[in-house]
Amino acid sequence: EPEVTQTPSHQVTQMGQEVILRCVPISNHLYFYWYRQILGQKVEFLVSFYNNEISEKSEIFDDQFSVERPDGSNFTLKIRSTKLEDSAMYFCASSGGLEAFFGQGTRLTVV
Amino acid sequence: GESVGLHLPTLSVQEGDNSIINCAYSNSASDYFIWYKQESGKGPQFIIDIRSNMDKRQGQRVTVLLNKTVKHLSLQIAATQPGDSAVYFCAENTGYSTLTFGKGTMLLVSP
Repeated sequence: EPEVTQTPSHQVTQMGQEVILRCVPISNHLYFYWYRQILGQKVEFLVSFYNNEISEKSEIFDDQFSVERPDGSNFTLKIRSTKLEDSAMYFCASSGGLEAFFGQGTRLTVV
Repeated sequence: GESVGLHLPTLSVQEGDNSIINCAYSNSASDYFIWYKQESGKGPQFIIDIRSNMDKRQGQRVTVLLNKTVKHLSLQIAATQPGDSAVYFCAENTGYSTLTFGKGTMLLVSP
């Protein structure tokens, strides 16, 4: 069964460092998303991406964040200068229409 | 702002019971709803969806009910099993771009 895969599963970084979270969406999907979940809280939308551009983003997705689809298979989320409050689970999702399939997440810990 | 929320943060049931998890939404423009299951340390897993032109949809052991009049969504799980223990999120989608998640309900199933 096709699935969304994310790497790494856990990333520890120092405050102020840049991190890149990687995702391989399901191959025939056209819509890609990043969500985050702070421990014990709900899943929050960050950004959606379609046709090689951002289609929608939340207020969380500020200038520190960027997304890229560098090739035909990967979808990345970059955080330029991490802050302690960026510590969370980051989920990538992809969709061929309405139903979004989620990856297992990357746990980002900023120390 | 408009939001999706849940009435019960924790629901404890006995194995074999039927479970009902509720969700209230406030965005009248939402036309598609999804229930996700999230097990500890994993990403949200699609359970069942429903479009706004329907009021009921059944899957395997699960039923989703939509009451647009009162903007209420419920997930019914028949013959609940220990493996159903997880956090359940409702999510609404007003288009292709964004899923807005509710806060989540923890379902605890006792053997």
